[in-house]
Formats: sequence, C-alpha cells, structure tokens
Amino acid sequence: GAVVSQHPSRVICKSGTSVKIECRSLDFQATTMFWYRQFPKQSLMLMATSNEGSKATYEQGVEKDKFLINHASLTLSTLTVTSAHPEDSSFYICSARIGQDYNEQFFGPGTRLTVL
Amino acid sequence: GQNIDQPTEMTATEGAIVQINCTYQTSGFNGLFWYQQHAGEAPTFLSYNVLDGLEEKGRFSSFLSRSKGYSYLLLKELQMKDSASYLCAVSDSNYQLIWGAGTKLIIKP
Repeated sequence: GAVVSQHPSRVICKSGTSVKIECRSLDFQATTMFWYRQFPKQSLMLMATSNEGSKATYEQGVEKDKFLINHASLTLSTLTVTSAHPEDSSFYICSARIGQDYNEQFFGPGTRLTVL
Repeated sequence: GQNIDQPTEMTATEGAIVQINCTYQTSGFNGLFWYQQHAGEAPTFLSYNVLDGLEEKGRFSSFLSRSKGYSYLLLKELQMKDSASYLCAVSDSNYQLIWGAGTKLIIKP
C-alpha cells in the first residue's frame, strides 16, 4: 500500500525558533500533498495544498510567511513553522495524493509540536 | 457554503452495532470517505463510496445516498479497540476533501 512518513514524530522547541517537518511518500509519487493541523478534540483543519514544483495554496487565515511549504520533489514536502509561538503547538499531519483524479489521500503519522 | 454534519459523540456497548450518520452539502461530489482516528494518531482509511448503496468490508459497512446527501458508517460486533473518532469527508468538485468535525465513539464493556 501507499506509505507516507513524517519526521520528526515529536518536537519540543523554544518560542521564537523555527521548526521543519518533513513529509515523504515512500513507495509512490505524490503530485499533491496536503498539510493539516489538528488542535485537541477538534477535527482536521486544512492549512495548505502543495503541488510539486509550484507554490502552495494556503487556506484562508493561514499565514504563508509563517508556515513555509516547499514541495521540491514528487516524494518530499516540507513545512517550516517560522518563529514558533506557544499557540502554534498542535498536531501537524501531512497527506499525499497520487494524482488529480485519484481521490484517496494517504496520511502520514503526524508530528506533535510543542512550543514552550 | 460547504458543510458536513455528524454527531459529536456516541456511546455503544461492546458486541453491539452502532450507526454513525453523516449529512453533507458541498459544491460538487467526487466521493465520500470514512476515516478512523485514535487519539494522538493520524486518520486511517476505512471506506470510500461514490455510488449509491452499501459497501461492506468485514465488520464495517458504509452507505451512501447522493440524492439525500447522506451517508452512514455501520460498525458491527463492536470491540473496545473501536473506541476512536470517526471522520466523514467529502471530495468536492476540485477533489479537495471537506471534513466533518468527527464523531467520538465510546465503547463500554
């Protein structure tokens, strides 16, 4: 099956630092990757959609200068949380889709970010 | 606007059957997904419906009525490990997933 990995699985950082999260599709090429954020006891919130080789499309209310997304290859997308603050503490999950007409998204295991 | 509705929480007994409903209003429809999410973990795929009717997969079944904008997930022979949140998501005309808030299912012995 299609496997998506995320690294790191858990990160604790000081306020003001930047954190990079990697999302990799291990056994398929992902034309589109999605980044979600999930606060405790809430549903997934789509942050941005990332297509390989082009700029990410951010959802309303998500600051593109704070959440930098790079999708340099068909198997790797990165999310960098710049100048992280405690309110950025959340569960960040990426997912990948094989093609435009192939519906299913394959989810990574998620990254728990805690900003002190 | 686009909207997915599902109950916030449900409680059921081990060994019983539970039905989790989902209604939706979206711009376009390219299928409906059900995902299971245990606390602190990412969602895992359960089912996909794009045509009307019932899809059965082991203890889990999913039903879709496109004319009514309605789906349900049916879980049989409930086990304690089925305690989780169940997320309904609809793929819209742009193949973007629109997510429901999730239904927390509590299984009691």
